[in-house]
Amino acid sequence: AQSVTQLDSQVPVFEEAPVELRCNYSSSVSVYLFWYVQYPNQGLQLLLKYLSGSTLVKGINGFEAEFNKSQTSFHLRKPSVHISDTAEYFCAVSRGGATNKLIFGTGTLLAVQP
Amino acid sequence: EAQVTQNPRYLITVTGKKLTVTCSQNMNHEYMSWYRQDPGLGLRQIYYSMNVEVTDKGDVPEGYKVSRKEKRNFPLILESPSPNQTSLYFCASSSTWDRVGEKLFFGSGTQLSVL
Repeated sequence: AQSVTQLDSQVPVFEEAPVELRCNYSSSVSVYLFWYVQYPNQGLQLLLKYLSGSTLVKGINGFEAEFNKSQTSFHLRKPSVHISDTAEYFCAVSRGGATNKLIFGTGTLLAVQP
Repeated sequence: EAQVTQNPRYLITVTGKKLTVTCSQNMNHEYMSWYRQDPGLGLRQIYYSMNVEVTDKGDVPEGYKVSRKEKRNFPLILESPSPNQTSLYFCASSSTWDRVGEKLFFGSGTQLSVL
């Protein structure tokens, strides 16, 4: 069965510092990976996705993620964070690629401090 | 503006009192889904619908009902709510369900408390 693990429930970081949010997946078939962001009191928004091709994927708001098949990881990075990046970030994997089979991780709260 | 609208935003009820959370999308999307979000558990899928009159169970369907009589609406029904259904609920939609990488659009959520 496919699943994703987000090891860090909360990541505190100072403004303008770099950040990495970790995501590991388990799958025995082709993987399709996503990062969604949830700003306070809002629904989730798609940040970026990996379907195939280049392992480095760029998303909105300066975020990027790298698909690493050997380490079964899809970590999210940003070189310099802003206060406005404070949000909960969810990694997700799609079973077979279909939207109705999207499985979310438990989420990582990114807390950016001034 | 393209959006998924959920109502109400907050709801407090008592055990056993039937309730409905409404969800509507204005993007002519085929696929709609309900999730619940609980601390430490992330989002778990309750039910989904691939089109009008086509619905199926997600990972945590017990205690919930849905219907899809119109393409734009996908209400979530709790016939006899219990305290373990206290949660933050999200409705989501996408253009299709079977195209790889399809983007999900989420509503703003409904915070439900069952006393």
